[in-house]
Amino acid sequence: AQSVAQPEDQVNVAEGNPLTVKCTYSVSGNPYLFWYVQYPNRGLQFLLKYITGDNLVKGSYGFEAEFNKSQTSFHLKKPSALVSDSALYFCAVRGDNYGQNFVFGPGTRLSVLP
Amino acid sequence: KAGVTQTPRYLIKTRGQQVTLSCSPISGHRSVSWYQQTPGQGLQFLFEYFSETQRNKGNFPGRFSGRQFSNSRSEMNVSTLELGDSALYLCASSLSRESSYGYTFGSGTRLTVV
Repeated sequence: AQSVAQPEDQVNVAEGNPLTVKCTYSVSGNPYLFWYVQYPNRGLQFLLKYITGDNLVKGSYGFEAEFNKSQTSFHLKKPSALVSDSALYFCAVRGDNYGQNFVFGPGTRLSVLP
Repeated sequence: KAGVTQTPRYLIKTRGQQVTLSCSPISGHRSVSWYQQTPGQGLQFLFEYFSETQRNKGNFPGRFSGRQFSNSRSEMNVSTLELGDSALYLCASSLSRESSYGYTFGSGTRLTVV
């Protein structure tokens, strides 16, 4: 069965500092991994995805994520946080068999303090 | 191009009533999935439609149903509403059921049951 864990409910970081939001997953077969961000009263917005190839994936708004197969992790990172990055972040995994659903993590609330 | 459109944005219903929510996917997208989001349970998968057929279903009671039309628009219906059905209902569309394709989410319908 597929599962996603985001071990931190909340991450606080000062503006200008680097941020990391953690994600680990379990899936049968090869994983397709995604990060989404949700602002208040909005749907989820796509940030980036890992399908294959380079383990470091770059996405929207300066975010990047590193795929680590041995640790089954896909942590989201940004070198310098902005107050506007404050939001709810979801990691999701999809197995590579056709028609598999997304499994979302519980979400991590990121607060960037000015 | 237009994004995923969900209507209405907000709904207030009383217990026992039924409700229908609508989702228009991005033009050309044939897969539509529905999620329920609550603070306590996170994102929970309801169902997925592709080419007018339900392909996957989550663990929700039969009061929750959906359908997809030939133009890929989708509706979900909840009958005999309960207080616990209060949630943000999110629709997501995808070009394909191939796992490498991500979702594009709508802004959601906020349902409040009183």
